[in-house]
Order: sequence, then structure tokens, then C-alpha cells
Amino acid sequence: AQSVAQPEDQVNVAEGNPLTVKCTYSVSGNPYLFWYVQYPNRGLQFLLKYITGDNLVKGSYGFEAEFNKSQTSFHLKKPSALVSDSALYFCAVRGITYSGAGSYQLTFGKGTKLSVIP
Amino acid sequence: KAGVTQTPRYLIKTRGQQVTLSCSPISGHRSVSWYQQTPGQGLQFLFEYFSETQRNKGNFPGRFSGRQFSNSRSEMNVSTLELGDSALYLCASSLDTSPAWEQFFGPGTRLTVL
Repeated sequence: AQSVAQPEDQVNVAEGNPLTVKCTYSVSGNPYLFWYVQYPNRGLQFLLKYITGDNLVKGSYGFEAEFNKSQTSFHLKKPSALVSDSALYFCAVRGITYSGAGSYQLTFGKGTKLSVIP
Repeated sequence: KAGVTQTPRYLIKTRGQQVTLSCSPISGHRSVSWYQQTPGQGLQFLFEYFSETQRNKGNFPGRFSGRQFSNSRSEMNVSTLELGDSALYLCASSLDTSPAWEQFFGPGTRLTVL
């Protein structure tokens, strides 16, 4: 079974400082990895994904993520945090789950609440 | 291009009732997935539809069902509501079922069961 772990329920960072939100995964076969952000009373917004290729992927709003196969990690990073980055961040993995018809179920971590302090 | 829309945005029901939620995917997207989000369990996969066929189903009781229409719009139904069904129900669409495609989420339907 595939799974995602986000070891930190909350991350606090000062505005202007770099931020990291951690994610580790477990999946059979090649991982397809995603980061989403959720603002209060809103749905999830896609930030970035890793499918194959360069281990460092760049996404929306200045975010990037580093894929590390040996550590099975996909940490989200940003060089300089903004107060507006404060939100709930979800890491997700997609792998094959047998359903008879074949489908790639998306499994989410529990989420990490990021607070950027002015 | 319009995003994923979900109706209604808020619902209040009582135990034992049933409810139907609606989702319109992004134009051209043929895959629709549903998720339940609660503070305790987080985001849990309900089911995925593609070309009017259910392609995958999460670990939820049979009270939870769904369908997809020929225009890719989808509905999910919950019968005999329980207090524990109170949650934010999110719909997501993607071009197809390939794992490489990201899913785009709607704003959700907030269901409260009294």
C-alpha cells in the first residue's frame, strides 16, 4: 500500500527566511509526487509535481521541491517566505492500486500547517 | 478556463437523510475523483470516474456512491447519513487517469449532519 508521511503538523518561519515542509513517501514502482496548498475554506491548489527527470522541480508562487529517491523524500522549499504563504500544505503520491479497471489513486499526507510570522 | 465547480457549497442535513452533491469538471477533463476531508482523518479518497465508469474506489461503506454523466459531470450520493459523515467533500478533475496528470480541485461542499 502507498503512503505519505508529513512529520511536522506545524512549521513556523519568519517572513523572509527560507522554509522547508517535509514529506516522505512509500509506493511500489516509480513515484508520482505532488504538492498542494489549501487556504481556509477553499479547495486544494496544485503547486508542483515530480514525474521524472530533474530532482529539483519548480512550481507556482516561487515554491520548489527536491526529490530524493534514496531517502524517499520530496521536501517542499521556498527561499524567502511571505506572510501570504501561511496555509495548509499537502504532499501526495500516486501509484498503482489495483481496482480491476486500473487506476492511479492519489494518497495524501495529513498536512502541515505553515505559519509565516511577520 | 473555468475551474472545477461544486454545488451546493454548504449543506445541513439530519441523520438518516440522504444527500446528493454535484461536480462539474474543467472543460476537457474526463476524470473526476471525490475526496472526504475531516480534521481527524485528513483527505481520504472516495472514488474515481472516467468515461462514466468507476475506475477505483476507496475504503468507504456502500452508503457512499457516485456516478458520472456523458458530459463528465459527476454526482456523489450519501444515503442514511450519520453524524460522522460531516465533512468537506472535494471533487477533483484531471485530463485522464494517467498518474502524470495533476488533479484540480473544486472549492468543496461542506456537509453538516445534525
